[in-house]
Amino acid sequence: DVKVTQSSRYLVKRTGEKVFLECVQDMDHENMFWYRQDPGLGLRLIYFSYDVKMKEKGDIPEGYSVSREKKERFSLILESASTNQTSMYLCASRRGLAGDVTGELFFGEGSRLTVL
Amino acid sequence: QQPVQSPQAVILREGEDAVINCSSSKALYSVHWYRQKHGEAPVFLMILLKGGEQKGHEKISASFNEKKQQSSLYLTASQLSYSGTYFCGTRGTSYGKLTFGQGTILTVHP
Repeated sequence: DVKVTQSSRYLVKRTGEKVFLECVQDMDHENMFWYRQDPGLGLRLIYFSYDVKMKEKGDIPEGYSVSREKKERFSLILESASTNQTSMYLCASRRGLAGDVTGELFFGEGSRLTVL
Repeated sequence: QQPVQSPQAVILREGEDAVINCSSSKALYSVHWYRQKHGEAPVFLMILLKGGEQKGHEKISASFNEKKQQSSLYLTASQLSYSGTYFCGTRGTSYGKLTFGQGTILTVHP
């Protein structure tokens, strides 16, 4: 069974702290994504990566960075957390274009971050 | 730019039908539908490619009007298990990023 695993389901951090959200997929997918989910705003793309060490900005990259040192792992970093970054963060993966017929995204269960 | 979904929320009784709409201001290559049950990860339902093709998934089907840049998701004879938030995602090209709408909360009561 395919799986995207996010390391923490719930985190509480203080303003100014550095936060790491980790995501691991076991499907050998080339593409990985970080979305932010907020009520009434849906899923908004923060960053994505189509290969190891490659990254592209999504629609709301400000205040975030990412790291992809290995194919299966994609990390989201909040260098200095702020209260407006309190949200649900969803990681997803997808096959590379060559093998991608449906463009199906496989999501993790999410990490709910609260910044105080 | 995010596609716009309507309605924002809908409440049904088991066995009733519902339609969820997704509109974009941009030309679309594909429309994707996902469902997220409470506390769970979003799950892929179907993809529709330009051409007005209608797809089906059990009692859930969808259409895509390329000219109007709209898609509709049809839920027939709803079941309790249909409850959740439905998201449409749109892509302007075959390789473009997927942009999601704000979601529609569907609640089915016995």
